[in-house]
Amino acid sequence: GESVGLHLPTLSVQEGDNSIINCAYSNSASDYFIWYKQESGKGPQFIIDIRSNMDKRQGQRVTVLLNKTVKHLSLQIAATQPGDSAVYFCADTLLGSSASKIIFGSGTRLSIRP
Amino acid sequence: DTAVSQTPKYLVTQMGNDKSIKCEQNLGHDTMYWYKQDSKKFLKIMFSYNNKELIINETVPNRFSPKSPDKAHLNLHINSLELGDSAVYFCASSQGSSIGRNNEQFFGPGTRLTVL
Repeated sequence: GESVGLHLPTLSVQEGDNSIINCAYSNSASDYFIWYKQESGKGPQFIIDIRSNMDKRQGQRVTVLLNKTVKHLSLQIAATQPGDSAVYFCADTLLGSSASKIIFGSGTRLSIRP
Repeated sequence: DTAVSQTPKYLVTQMGNDKSIKCEQNLGHDTMYWYKQDSKKFLKIMFSYNNKELIINETVPNRFSPKSPDKAHLNLHINSLELGDSAVYFCASSQGSSIGRNNEQFFGPGTRLTVL
């Protein structure tokens, strides 16, 4: 079945450095991917998305890269700040007969060293 | 001006009890969801309603019964609570039921349920 997973459960980076969070997916038919940020005690928050007809999309300080050949996507955060500390989820989507749903990966906890 | 709100934030109860979690959104969205997040942070959809109609019903024990009295509310009632029901439950809403850009899901702050 389809699954979305992450290479590392935790990632520690120095404040000001760039962060790269990786994600692998198994469903070749997936055509839409989303990255979410979940801060402690809060619900997930949309960061950025990308469709399968693109290989790169940039937002404010974040970039998502998609490699469909190896079914891999990554989230890059530039100049990581303390406020970036959170669990990051990649997600893809599963089309259903009546509705589509988001399939979340297991998450990577990003911590920032001062 | 909270977009998606849930009550209560924390719920501690004994095994076998029946409890409800309430969710309200003031975004004017048509679609609402319930997700369960376990202790390992794994987040999985349980139910989705679009205009008060159930459109997603995952493999969830029938002890869980969602109810949508109107588009702005989606409540979750759980009967005969079990230890394994302990988790954080998130409500979310989106404009429509399709997944895509301009139809982002907005999540509530979560309800941490602990079953003793």
